[in-house]
Order: sequence, then C-alpha cells, then structure tokens
Amino acid sequence: NAGVTQTPKFRILKIGQSMTLQCAQDMNHNYMYWYRQDPGMGLKLIYYSVGAGITDKGEVPNGYNVSRSTTEDFPLRLELAAPSQTSVYFCASSLPGQGRAEAFFGQGTRLTVV
Amino acid sequence: AQSVTQLDSQVPVFEEAPVELRCNYSSSVSVYLFWYVQYPNQGLQLLLKYLSGSTLVKGINGFEAEFNKSQTSFHLRKPSVHISDTAEYFCASYNNNDMRFGAGTRLTVKP
Repeated sequence: NAGVTQTPKFRILKIGQSMTLQCAQDMNHNYMYWYRQDPGMGLKLIYYSVGAGITDKGEVPNGYNVSRSTTEDFPLRLELAAPSQTSVYFCASSLPGQGRAEAFFGQGTRLTVV
Repeated sequence: AQSVTQLDSQVPVFEEAPVELRCNYSSSVSVYLFWYVQYPNQGLQLLLKYLSGSTLVKGINGFEAEFNKSQTSFHLRKPSVHISDTAEYFCASYNNNDMRFGAGTRLTVKP
C-alpha cells in the first residue's frame, strides 16, 4: 500500500542547476498537488492538477514547472535553482467528491540550493 | 480567496493536561475544514475533517474539533495529551480545487 511516493528524499543543488522532483500515487486519485514548506510559513501551493493533461498555478509557481501526462505521476521541475528554493517539498493527492476531499501526502523531499 | 490563521505558533503543555489549538478561517463560501499532524521528518497525516453535518467531529488519537460558523473557527482539542502528541499541527480549508494551510502550531508535551 504505497500511497504517495516522492523521490529523492534529499538533494543538494548548486545555483543554476536543474532537477526534477518525482511524485507518484497508486490510489487512482485525479487531483495532485505540489507544496513547499518553509519554517513558520505552513504549506504553500506551487502547482496542482485536476487530471491528466491539466495543470494550474497555485500561490507560488515562479521558478517551477509541472506536467501531468498520466494519472499516477506529477513531476515538479526546477529549471534554474536559486537559494530561495531551499525548502521541503511535499506532493499530495486527493479524490474530491462523495464526502471526500482530504489530501494524502508523500514523505517529502528536502532540497538545499547552495 | 480563502485563508487560514492558526492563532498560536507554539503551545507547550504538560502531559495529561488538556489542550486546544486554535484555527480561524476566512471564506465567502462554504469550505471543508481539516486538521493534519506532522511528526518530525514525515509528511502530513489527516487527524479529522469537517465536510457537513454535526459540528463536533472526532478524529484519531483522541482529538476532536468543533466547527463554529458564526465565529469562523475550527479549534482542535484533546482532553488529556501524551508525550507522543508532540508534533506540528496544521489546520486547512478546501474549496473549489484550492486547499490552503495555516502556518502550523507546534505542540510540545512535557513530562
């Protein structure tokens, strides 16, 4: 029963490098989300998707890109890493409707940009 | 746009004492409300949720919360805390594809 799986768990990037944070879910959820968590700031929504082929910006999308080619996968791309992107990133999924709206979270990816 | 405010960033409490973690939300439309718990180096886990119906909702680990529409609040309570309840707690609201989180409350239970 995997749920939401994020890889990698930890990563150190140099300024200007690029990387993709992977997220996969096996619950057949149509909604998926990317959040970043900074100390004392709670979780901020970066991007979300309501289904394959559909993505939309959240509160803090600048510097990130996403794609959703399948129901299961929702990768987050950082093109030119900056120190301000040092954070813990969480992927989540949900299946709103029929009394459900809660999100299920992955274990997080801790990213440091130096 | 909706928003969530957690009124206390840190709450220290002694073991077996009662605790209340406060959450206010703002939205011009009906929202769903949630409390999540985050243990160190882990993701968020759902404690409880309010979608409709009874305003008192019970969750896991002995927690409960009360939805108060007139005060736009959704405070989390537990009558007697344990050391193992030490964690970060997040209140969240959901409406129309948008889930917003509060800044979190760090609950520290002391022996």
